[in-house]
Amino acid sequence: DIVVTQSPDTLAVSLGERATINCKPSQSVLYSSDNKNYLAWYQQKPGQPPKPLIYWAVNRESGVPDRFSGSVSGTDFTLTISSLQAEDVAVYYCQQYYDTQTFGQGTRVEIK
Amino acid sequence: QVQLVQSGAEVKKPGASVKVSCKASGYTFTRHAIHWLRQAPGQRPEWMGWINGGNGNTKYSQRFQGRVTITRDTSATTAYMDLGSLRYEDTAVYYCARGYYGSSDHWGQGTLVTVSS
Repeated sequence: DIVVTQSPDTLAVSLGERATINCKPSQSVLYSSDNKNYLAWYQQKPGQPPKPLIYWAVNRESGVPDRFSGSVSGTDFTLTISSLQAEDVAVYYCQQYYDTQTFGQGTRVEIK
Repeated sequence: QVQLVQSGAEVKKPGASVKVSCKASGYTFTRHAIHWLRQAPGQRPEWMGWINGGNGNTKYSQRFQGRVTITRDTSATTAYMDLGSLRYEDTAVYYCARGYYGSSDHWGQGTLVTVSS
């Protein structure tokens, strides 16, 4: 199985400041036939299912605010919240879907 | 709009089986897979398996191979997940999710399965 590792485990950010979460799969999730990274980001609030935010590593789901963005550098992936809002307090997961699905351990985002 | 509505909470004894349903609407059922995942308290989601909504082919996580069966009824646009030989550590919220190129783009509300004697 592909192991997915996130960092940090917890992130405290002031309102309006930038939050950055990192994700690294144990092997490449770039599919050569379509040149896409099979990686997604989810937001989960208590008592709710995970909500998709980003797919193909960089594409925002419909309806997701543009303060959320995904980026890639080699085999390292990043989710950025450009200006943290109170409603962004949640646990964030990255997921690889190159080979079935596996999730990172999650990053809890809090208000400083 | 796409909706996945799951069956209600269950309490089961160790060694029993549980069957959770997932009623899909708002899209063509046979054009998408349905994935099943679970999430134990305080843990990350864990993928269990999926079923092709069109031809019914399935693939299961090795962790659950032999204990889980996923089926679907296209006329009812409903998928089912059957987990047998339940253990205390199977206590979790079970989710169905619509497949999109291997990922999961719409999720059900979740079904809490509690294994307790």
